[in-house]
Amino acid sequence: KAGVTQTPRYLIKTRGQQVTLSCSPISGHRSVSWYQQTPGQGLQFLFEYFSETQRNKGNFPGRFSGRQFSNSRSEMNVSTLELGDSALYLCASGGGGSTYEQYFGPGTRLTVT
Amino acid sequence: AQSVTQLGSHVSVSEGALVLLRCNYSSSVPPYLFWYVQYPNQGLQLLLKYTSAATLVKGINGFEAEFKKSETSFHLTKPSAHMSDAAEYFCAVSFNFGNEKLTFGTGTRLTIIP
Repeated sequence: KAGVTQTPRYLIKTRGQQVTLSCSPISGHRSVSWYQQTPGQGLQFLFEYFSETQRNKGNFPGRFSGRQFSNSRSEMNVSTLELGDSALYLCASGGGGSTYEQYFGPGTRLTVT
Repeated sequence: AQSVTQLGSHVSVSEGALVLLRCNYSSSVPPYLFWYVQYPNQGLQLLLKYTSAATLVKGINGFEAEFKKSETSFHLTKPSAHMSDAAEYFCAVSFNFGNEKLTFGTGTRLTIIP
């Protein structure tokens, strides 16, 4: 099976702009979760989608949003970018059933200048 | 609050020596526990998981971990370190069935000394 794919891999944006990141889960997986990784805060949960519905949400401001499509692909959007949004954004794919494990993509490295 | 603590942000071991990375959790309900490894400029790779079956869990690349409820621990071990084991290791926990949220520890950077 193909793994989790994330596009783009690298992105440079300016403060105030918005950005959309994309994630394609493993075929057959219905759950997609997003995480932010920074040196200072570590790995933090953003949100999780299952069958096009947001099932869980972390403690991030409303500038961070996401959605999931009927083919399970997911997008994450960040509006009004701030310097502190510079991070590695990781997407994880899960079966959503009883196996519990999640498989991560390579991440999108976002730099805000 | 439920949490995960990884003791030691940096661990160095000699090639061929035992690797021991420590993880303790805090939870009022039975947890599901995971170890992930991250190589530079890559995502996270699942090493192994505990989901209330056998308490000694074997994973990939020769790693294993033992769930000890009495000690609320899930330490990761490997009998003989290899240079390729140099990476950052994360312990993670989830608590609710059907809830895919993972709570991660702060990570342990493993260095292998030739």
